[in-house]
Amino acid sequence: AQSVTQLGSHVSVSEGALVLLRCNYSSSVPPYLFWYVQYPNQGLQLLLKYTSAATLVKGINGFEAEFKKSETSFHLTKPSAHMSDAAEYFCAVSESGGYQKVTFGTGTKLQVIP
Amino acid sequence: GAGVSQSPSNKVTEKGKDVELRCDPISGHTALYWYRQSLGQGLEFLIYFQGNSAPDKSGLPSDRFSAERTGGSVSTLTIQRTQQEDSAVYLCASSQSGTGVSYEQYFGPGTRLTVT
Repeated sequence: AQSVTQLGSHVSVSEGALVLLRCNYSSSVPPYLFWYVQYPNQGLQLLLKYTSAATLVKGINGFEAEFKKSETSFHLTKPSAHMSDAAEYFCAVSESGGYQKVTFGTGTKLQVIP
Repeated sequence: GAGVSQSPSNKVTEKGKDVELRCDPISGHTALYWYRQSLGQGLEFLIYFQGNSAPDKSGLPSDRFSAERTGGSVSTLTIQRTQQEDSAVYLCASSQSGTGVSYEQYFGPGTRLTVT
């Protein structure tokens, strides 16, 4: 069965600092991987996704993530945090092949300190 | 185009009452998911509908929870004999689907359920 682990339920960074949100996955077959963002009092929206093409995936708002099979990781990064990045971030995995449901991690709340 | 809609946006109910939450997915999306998001908690999977296949109910927390999807479109999540621990935001999402592909999920705004 597939699963996702997000390390750190809360992460604080200073404005302008590097953002690094960690995600490790478990999957018995090559995975598809996603990062979603949820701004306060809003629904979730897709930031980026990996579907077996390029291992470095660029998303919206300057975020990117790198798929590392050897480390079973898909960490989310942004070089310079903005105040508007304060939100909750969810990593998700689904298994390629067939009709597969998506499994979400427990989320990481990002706080940006001015 | 229209996104995923959910109704009601807010529901306050008394403990022991039944509630129905509705989700209208994006037209043409064959996959539909229900999640629960409790305060301070992550996203808890409840149930997954895929086309005409039997739904994956593995996330339903108890037999008080049920869901149906009529005509492959609208879905209703029913909670019977509500308990205070059922208080949460219930999110619905839909997506396209296809073999060997995993599509983006589009989320509705959620229904905030409060059980008093």
